[in-house]
Amino acid sequence: GDSVTQTEGQVTVSESKSLIINCTYSATSIGYPNLFWYVRYPGEGLQLLLKVITAGQKGSSRGFEATYNKEATSFHLQKASVQESDSAVYYCAPLSGSFNKLTFGAGTRLAVCP
Amino acid sequence: DMKVTQMPRYLIKRMGENVLLECGQDMSHETMYWYRQDPGLGLQLIYISYDVDSNSEGDIPKGYRVSRKKREHFSLILDSAKTNQTSVYFCASSFGGGSSQNTLYFGAGTRLSVL
Repeated sequence: GDSVTQTEGQVTVSESKSLIINCTYSATSIGYPNLFWYVRYPGEGLQLLLKVITAGQKGSSRGFEATYNKEATSFHLQKASVQESDSAVYYCAPLSGSFNKLTFGAGTRLAVCP
Repeated sequence: DMKVTQMPRYLIKRMGENVLLECGQDMSHETMYWYRQDPGLGLQLIYISYDVDSNSEGDIPKGYRVSRKKREHFSLILDSAKTNQTSVYFCASSFGGGSSQNTLYFGAGTRLSVL
């Protein structure tokens, strides 16, 4: 079946430092290339951070970027300079061929230290 | 206001008791979902509802049932809860039709503990 692997557990970064959260997915089960990053801030539900629907494209939002690398089956999330307000749980979610069937990674908790 | 509301936020039940988790949305979305998330795992899809009384099993429907009598409400029911149903449950909604265009909107989650 579909599977997603992203950076495990918690990542701690100092404010203004760079961030990368890795995400790879199993290519054989992905019907067509739609890739999403969702974010869950404390006390809130998951919300869409960014999405890319074409291989080679880059998505961006709130200073975060992710490029869909079809050859490497990766969709890493990056930010050049994190802020304390970025502290949240980030979920990588490729879309399978089924109607709106997202496969979610386990989530990566980002803690930004002042 | 584009909101998905889950009630209750926290719930403790004993094994064998019935559990009702409620979800509401104010966006008139056709499609609604129930997911659960366990430590170290991604969100797992329990059920999808495409509209009133139009529900389909997701990846892990065993031990659960759902009810959707109004477009804005979607309930998850555990008849005789089991300890392995201890989890965080998320409800979500989206517009129907298409896939890449349809952002999912999530509730804040219900943390259920079955003792």
